[in-house]
Amino acid sequence: GAVVSQHPSRVICKSGTSVKIECRSLDFQATTMFWYRQFPKQSLMLMATSNEGSKATYEQGVEKDKFLINHASLTLSTLTVTSAHPEDSSFYICSARRGGVTDTQYFGPGTRLTVL
Amino acid sequence: GENVEQHPSTLSVQEGDSAVIKCTYSDSASNYFPWYKQELGKGPQLIIDIRSNVGEKKDQRIAVTLNKTAKHFSLHITETQPEDSAVYFCAASKQDSNYQLIWGAGTKLIIKP
Repeated sequence: GAVVSQHPSRVICKSGTSVKIECRSLDFQATTMFWYRQFPKQSLMLMATSNEGSKATYEQGVEKDKFLINHASLTLSTLTVTSAHPEDSSFYICSARRGGVTDTQYFGPGTRLTVL
Repeated sequence: GENVEQHPSTLSVQEGDSAVIKCTYSDSASNYFPWYKQELGKGPQLIIDIRSNVGEKKDQRIAVTLNKTAKHFSLHITETQPEDSAVYFCAASKQDSNYQLIWGAGTKLIIKP
């Protein structure tokens, strides 16, 4: 099967610090990775689409200077929340799409970010 | 743009009974429709998907049907078990949107013992 990992699974940080979340596709190459944010009892909200080797495309209302995305290889994408504030506390989830003409997205287990 | 509506928001069924969750979409160009199961504190897990050239797909106790004319698709779970309790999301996508998924609001499925 297709396995996507995320690290860390849970992080608590102080306001003003930066936090990096890693997303890895373990058994396939992902030409596209997606970053989502999910609030309690709500659906997934797409933050940005990350294509390997190019700049990420951010959804309207998502600050690209605050949520830095790097997709340096076909198996790794990172999301850095810069100068985190309590309102950034949320559940962040990545997904990876296999290369080729396929739509299927496989999701990581998510990262719970708590900013104090 | 595409809009996906999902019903019901909560569904409670007796263990062993069937559960049906329905979704409608607005963009007739959408051609891929996955269903995800999300347990508390975890990422969504793909359970079944269907493409627009197929009307029905089945995998053991789970089936999905697609009506392109009416622009709706449904998830059917038979012989429900306690471990089926979770939130289920439907989604729709199309190739020319970089395969972005447009999500339904989710259905909380409760299996009563």
